[in-house]
Amino acid sequence: ETGVTQTPRHLVMGMTNKKSLKCEQHLGHNAMYWYKQSAKKPLELMFVYNFKEQTENNSVPSRFSPECPNSSHLFLHLHTLQPEDSALYLCASSSQLGTSVIYNEQFFGPGTRLTVL
Amino acid sequence: GENVEQHPSTLSVQEGDSAVIKCTYSDSASNYFPWYKQELGKGPQLIIDIRSNVGEKKDQRIAVTLNKTAKHFSLHITETQPEDSAVYFCAALGGNDMRFGAGTRLTVKP
Repeated sequence: ETGVTQTPRHLVMGMTNKKSLKCEQHLGHNAMYWYKQSAKKPLELMFVYNFKEQTENNSVPSRFSPECPNSSHLFLHLHTLQPEDSALYLCASSSQLGTSVIYNEQFFGPGTRLTVL
Repeated sequence: GENVEQHPSTLSVQEGDSAVIKCTYSDSASNYFPWYKQELGKGPQLIIDIRSNVGEKKDQRIAVTLNKTAKHFSLHITETQPEDSAVYFCAALGGNDMRFGAGTRLTVKP
């Protein structure tokens, strides 16, 4: 257990559905991240939040919409997805963003395996 | 931005042998290099890391070396065991930007 939980663990959805992924961290961290993991590719950073403020959006299509209501919770809202969006979506957290590396060690959740039909 | 290359993409060794995975990075300002192990159905878990002011770090059967001049770092696993079988990712952090390698699937044959 890393202290980062994600629900659901598996999700199958049609292209017209709307669903949300949830991430919760119990580590007292202030930075949270969404990554997309596709087979044989590097982890792709999607969004970064630091103290509930979005600090990075890596050119992610608008059909993915993040929400961070507090430092412990992070959501990824999904709508009108495409089959190529099928992947493992990983949430991570770290102490905070900053110039010192001690703030940036990231702890990952188990991921949500998303299949878009 | 940072670019991380990882080799090999797959590695198969006999139990008890050593395994070495290598990564190169492009941003000379990168100063933190973690290694993650991802088992089936789980998220990546940090197994060892090294900071730019250190050339080598060891934790039991796992060691990491860093060559800042050449901008490459390596993971060494000695006396491999079947439970070491997993996908291993390297990463490099420059500022707030953590970049990951594509992963190495390690299989340890009993």
